[in-house]
Amino acid sequence: NAGVMQNPRHLVRRRGQEARLRCSPMKGHSHVYWYRQLPEEGLKFMVYLQKENIIDESGMPKERFSAEFPKEGPSILRIQQVVRGDSAAYFCASSPLGHTEAFFGQGTRLTVV
Amino acid sequence: KQEVTQIPAALSVPEGENLVLNCSFTDSAIYNLQWFRQDPGKGLTSLLLIQSSQREQTSGRLNASLDKSSGRSTLYIAASQPGDSATYLCAVRLKGGSEKLVFGKGTKLTVNP
Repeated sequence: NAGVMQNPRHLVRRRGQEARLRCSPMKGHSHVYWYRQLPEEGLKFMVYLQKENIIDESGMPKERFSAEFPKEGPSILRIQQVVRGDSAAYFCASSPLGHTEAFFGQGTRLTVV
Repeated sequence: KQEVTQIPAALSVPEGENLVLNCSFTDSAIYNLQWFRQDPGKGLTSLLLIQSSQREQTSGRLNASLDKSSGRSTLYIAASQPGDSATYLCAVRLKGGSEKLVFGKGTKLTVNP
């Protein structure tokens, strides 16, 4: 059973471009969370999804950020018109049920130049 | 609003020492508490999960305790080794709502040979 898979591991984007981050949860897990880790900061919750549903997006910036978890395929975190302040490590976690043990991916490190 | 604090922020010890990392949280309405390890530039590895009804969990040289009423958890590492050097993160899973994890900022541990 492969762990939580995130790709790409590293992503460099110029200001104004779009960034797409992918997360494939562990097999059998239908709950996906995205967290962001800014330099020298702790991990902060962004969004919680189940298949085809956004359950809680209270941690998402109001503009430029969106997330989806389609019926087929990975969960996608999309950042439009990236700015330097978006540079961070983005982690995805999955669990079989919302309140059970969370398993994290290796993260995607986004650098905006 | 749930806040998680970890003390100390950094700790340096000689190899072989036993050590304790501390975590405190402000709201006792949690499902569980999870300790993670994060190596530089890497993802999070789950070390121990303590359910809210439990007092402690053990895995090898690691022992984690939970006192929900006082909002405290400790991670005890016995006979520390240089390979234990990493940042240790504590996170509580909230009850109700999205059941997201709220993280502390971590304790950076260095074990010197």
